[in-house]
Amino acid sequence: KNQVEQSPQSLIILEGKNCTLQCNYTVSPFSNLRWYKQDTGRGPVSLTIMTFSENTKSNGRYTATLDADTKQSSLHITASQLSDSASYICVVIAYSGAGSYQLTFGKGTKLSVIP
Amino acid sequence: EAQVTQNPRYLITVTGKKLTVTCSQNMNHEYMSWYRQDPGLGLRQIYYSMNVEVTDKGDVPEGYKVSRKEKRNFPLILESPSPNQTSLYFCASSWDRNNQPQHFGDGTRLSIL
Repeated sequence: KNQVEQSPQSLIILEGKNCTLQCNYTVSPFSNLRWYKQDTGRGPVSLTIMTFSENTKSNGRYTATLDADTKQSSLHITASQLSDSASYICVVIAYSGAGSYQLTFGKGTKLSVIP
Repeated sequence: EAQVTQNPRYLITVTGKKLTVTCSQNMNHEYMSWYRQDPGLGLRQIYYSMNVEVTDKGDVPEGYKVSRKEKRNFPLILESPSPNQTSLYFCASSWDRNNQPQHFGDGTRLSIL
């Protein structure tokens, strides 16, 4: 069964500090992995998408890494800001052929950045 | 501005009273989908549509219906809502289901009493 596990469930950091969120998956056959940011009361917004051949992708202060061998991804946030307070969701897409895709969502990591 | 628009944003209703949540996108996307989000469970896909008149069940389709008569619209229908359908619902669209980022609406919070 395809699964995506995110850790930690929640995290509190001081403004200006860096942090790393983890995503481990058991999804196959792997197609791509996405990270989303979801502000309270809003829909998720895409941060990065990585395919099998990509191991790093950045979007401003957000850097995602992917290790397809160990089936792990991380999202690193640099110099955190109060506006980074949100839930971060990891989604892994499996492609089983004939146009059939399966999306598996992690339950998210809730990040709180405090002054 | 590219967007996915859901209506209503909030709704409180009673068990058994049919309701429809509308979803519209202005990006000419082929793929649209509906999700529900519950505490501790994350996002779960209800239904998706690859194109006009093409819909398919997601992971939790029971108690829901959808239709895709036009490319831009993908309404979610609860024929006989029950309290276990109280949730936060999101509509999303993308060029396809694989490599494109999905654009989400801002959600509809449904409370079924």
